[in-house]
Amino acid sequence: GQQLNQSPQSMFIQEGEDVSMNCTSSSIFNTWLWYKQDPGEGPVLLIALYKAGELTSNGRLTAQFGITRKDSFLNISASIPSDVGIYFCAGPYSGAGSYQLTFGKGTKLSVIP
Amino acid sequence: EAGVAQSPRYKIIEKRQSVAFWCNPISGHATLYWYQQILGQGPKLLIQFQNNGVVDDSQLPKDRFSAERLKGVDSTLKIQPAKLEDSAVYLCASSPRVRWDEQYFGPGTRLTVT
Repeated sequence: GQQLNQSPQSMFIQEGEDVSMNCTSSSIFNTWLWYKQDPGEGPVLLIALYKAGELTSNGRLTAQFGITRKDSFLNISASIPSDVGIYFCAGPYSGAGSYQLTFGKGTKLSVIP
Repeated sequence: EAGVAQSPRYKIIEKRQSVAFWCNPISGHATLYWYQQILGQGPKLLIQFQNNGVVDDSQLPKDRFSAERLKGVDSTLKIQPAKLEDSAVYLCASSPRVRWDEQYFGPGTRLTVT
C-alpha cells in the first residue's frame, strides 16, 4: 500500500514552544487530513486540506497542503500539556481500484510542563 | 449526539481462539468502517460498509476475519482463529456518507493474543 512518511517519529518540547511536523508521499494526494489520537481513544480530525498551497488554521494549529501535492505540514503554536498525543496525517489512496483512507505512522508529541 | 460505541474495550485471548467485536455507529450514519491499528502504526482499513452492503474488503484477511452489518446499523467483526499478529486496536468509524473528512472514530477495542 501507499506509504505516508511522517517526521519526526517523536518529539519532546517545552510547554509554550512551537511545534512543526510533516508528512510526505511518493504519490500525489488530492486531500490531506490531520488527526490527533489520545491514549485509549480513536483519532479525531483536526484539519482537512483540499487544494495545493492551501493554508488552514484551527485555533493554535495551522496546516498546509504542499504545492507538489506530495507533502503536508502541521504546526502547533504555543504548545500546552493537552497537546500531548499522536498526530497522524492521512489521505485517500487508490490501491486496488477503490479509494481508502491511508494513514502515516504518526508523530508522538510529548510536552514538558 | 452520542459517538461511535464499541465493546468490549479490552480483550485477551489465546492464539487459535475466536473473538468478536461490536460497533454501534452514530445514529443515521450510512457508512461504517473497521480499521486495524497495530502498535506504532496508523490505522489500516479492513472493511467498509455502505448501509448493510460491503463497499471494500480488499485488505480483510478473509481466511480468518469476517464482518457483518445485518440491518445497516450495528456491526460485528470476528476473528477465527486468532494469531499472535492480530494483537492490535480495532477501531470502528462511521460517516453520514462516503467522505474522507467526515469519519468519526470510536474508542477502539484493544486485543491481545497470547
